[in-house]
Formats: sequence, C-alpha cells, structure tokens
Amino acid sequence: QVQLQQSGPGLVKPSQTLSLTCAISGDSVSSNSAAWNWIRQSPSRGLEWLGRTYYRSKWYIGYGVSVKSRITINPDTSKNQFSLQLNSVTPEDTAVYYCARTGETGDVDYWGQGTLVTVSS
Amino acid sequence: QSVLTQPPSASGTPGQRVTISCSGSSPNFGRNAVSWFQQLPGTAPKLLIYRNSHRPSGVPDRFSGSKSGTSASLAISGLQSEDEADFYCAAWDDSLNGWVFGGGTRVTVL
Repeated sequence: QVQLQQSGPGLVKPSQTLSLTCAISGDSVSSNSAAWNWIRQSPSRGLEWLGRTYYRSKWYIGYGVSVKSRITINPDTSKNQFSLQLNSVTPEDTAVYYCARTGETGDVDYWGQGTLVTVSS
Repeated sequence: QSVLTQPPSASGTPGQRVTISCSGSSPNFGRNAVSWFQQLPGTAPKLLIYRNSHRPSGVPDRFSGSKSGTSASLAISGLQSEDEADFYCAAWDDSLNGWVFGGGTRVTVL
C-alpha cells in the first residue's frame, strides 16, 4: 500500500519561500511507472496542479504555467522522497498543498494528507 | 475559473440516482481519460473512477463513470447519506502539459 507523508511549516511570511517534503512508502521515487505531483487547493482557485517529477531512465520535471517562474520540485533518492519549493509567496499562495502519485494507469491514485500553508506576516 | 466545467451542486434523496457532468475540450478530453475524485470534509481527495469508467478496489459499484467526446459523467445510484461530499473530475491536458480539474460538485443527500 502506497503512503505519502507530508511535512513542512504551516506558516510562511510574504516574499519568503514555501518548502514542503513528501516521504514515500510502498513505492519508489525512482519508479519507472510512477510520477510524483504537487497539487494545491484553495477556495478561490480550486484544485491546481503545480508540477511533477518522474524517472524514465533519466529525471524529468514539469511545472504548471501559473507557478512556473517560482517553483522547484526535486526528487531525493537517498530518502525516497520529493520536495516542493515555491519562492516569493504572497497571500494568494495560501492553500492546502498535497503531494500525490500518478500510478501505472496514468491516474492520480494516492494523495498525501495535505498541509495547510498560510502566507501571512 | 477551472479548465473543466462541473455544476456546483447536485442533490437527491436516499436511494435515488444522481448524475454529475464534467465538460472539457480537445486538449484534455480529446485523447486523455477522465478520472473522478470524492473529497470528504477535511480530507484529501480519494480516487473514485479512473480511465473514464474503472473503479479502484474497494469503491462500491454504485459509482460509475462514462465519457463521450468532450463530456464525461459520474453516476451515483442508490444514493446513501455517506455519499455527501465534493466530487471532482480531472484529466491530463496536452496543451497545458499538466493535470486540470473541474471546480467540484457538492452532493447533498436530502
């Protein structure tokens, strides 16, 4: 059974960097059949895909258009996890952030527990 | 404004059948399958339907999905009180190169 455990601060000051980590159990971040996503949810923006990383003989990373200039997603094979960094945050970035797996069927099938991140001074 | 369009609400009495629509466009529904998620308050979305019409293990067969062209639908038959939740459709978008979601439909059991 795949489990995704998120960690990171729930409060970030405006203009600073939001950092979250997603630890994977029951699968590998280096899997040749999975992809690892970050998705956020807010009342104003709904569910919004932020980006993903996956391994197919080499690492691929892709980002959503709304955050492309501010986001970094990195896999960490030594700890079997992946991370999200979002720079220059504003109150508009306040949301529940989820990590999630895209499985063999090509669908998002497992989600982390979610982390409410509030951007406020 | 979500890329995929869903009605904001739907309702029914226990035992009734409720259908939720999801409208997309060529870049997302054209070549890609639709999935559906159920989200209970305070929890992460849970995969309900994948590849348009397939149910993961453990999902009751009261839930069914279909897709035709640029439209998809989720049906809940034999509505139960525990089905009260928000439901979302999703698909990969080849133009945006990312996942896109519907705005969600809140199902209320009257």
